[in-house]
Amino acid sequence: KQEVTQIPAALSVPEGENLVLNCSFTDSAIYNLQWFRQDPGKGLTSLLLIQSSQREQTSGRLNASLDKSSGRSTLYIAASQPGDSATYLCAVPYNAGNMLTFGGGTRLMVKP
Amino acid sequence: SQTIHQWPATLVQPVGSPLSLECTVEGTSNPNLYWYRQAAGRGLQLLFYSVGIGQISSEVPQNLSASRPQDRQFILSSKKLLLSDSGFYLCASPTGRAPGELFFGEGSRLTVL
Repeated sequence: KQEVTQIPAALSVPEGENLVLNCSFTDSAIYNLQWFRQDPGKGLTSLLLIQSSQREQTSGRLNASLDKSSGRSTLYIAASQPGDSATYLCAVPYNAGNMLTFGGGTRLMVKP
Repeated sequence: SQTIHQWPATLVQPVGSPLSLECTVEGTSNPNLYWYRQAAGRGLQLLFYSVGIGQISSEVPQNLSASRPQDRQFILSSKKLLLSDSGFYLCASPTGRAPGELFFGEGSRLTVL
């Protein structure tokens, strides 16, 4: 059974810092890995999806990497801003379909 | 573009009362729909998925049920709510761009008192 873990559970940083969020998974036979953002009381917004054949994906100040062999992914946020404050979730499909196993999330607060 | 409408957005219900949460999807040709729950301190958990009208699969035993009366409509129900049913319920649909890539609705927050 796939298990997804995110560390740290919470993170508070001053504005402008570069930061790394970690995601680990137990079964390396994944199709892809997604990173989501969730604002308080809101749904999930997809940030990045990395295919199993890729090592990283970039979108603006966000860069996600994937190392299948070690069962790890990282989300790098450059020059953090207060507007980046949210919970970040990673998820992997656990079969050939679209059902996802989620990590517990990292709650990020960027202080002005 | 793909949209998912969920209602009600917020609901406060007493223990033992019935529940109906609705999800309507637009702008996608993929028939699969999913109900996830996010409970306090527990992360997102898949509850039900549907591959078409009248077809429901349950991932975990629970007090809830789901129905797919129309292609674009997915309903989550309960006859008698429990305190443990409290949570944030999210409906999702595949984007169609990549396997496992899901688009989520804005969610329905249920508080059972």
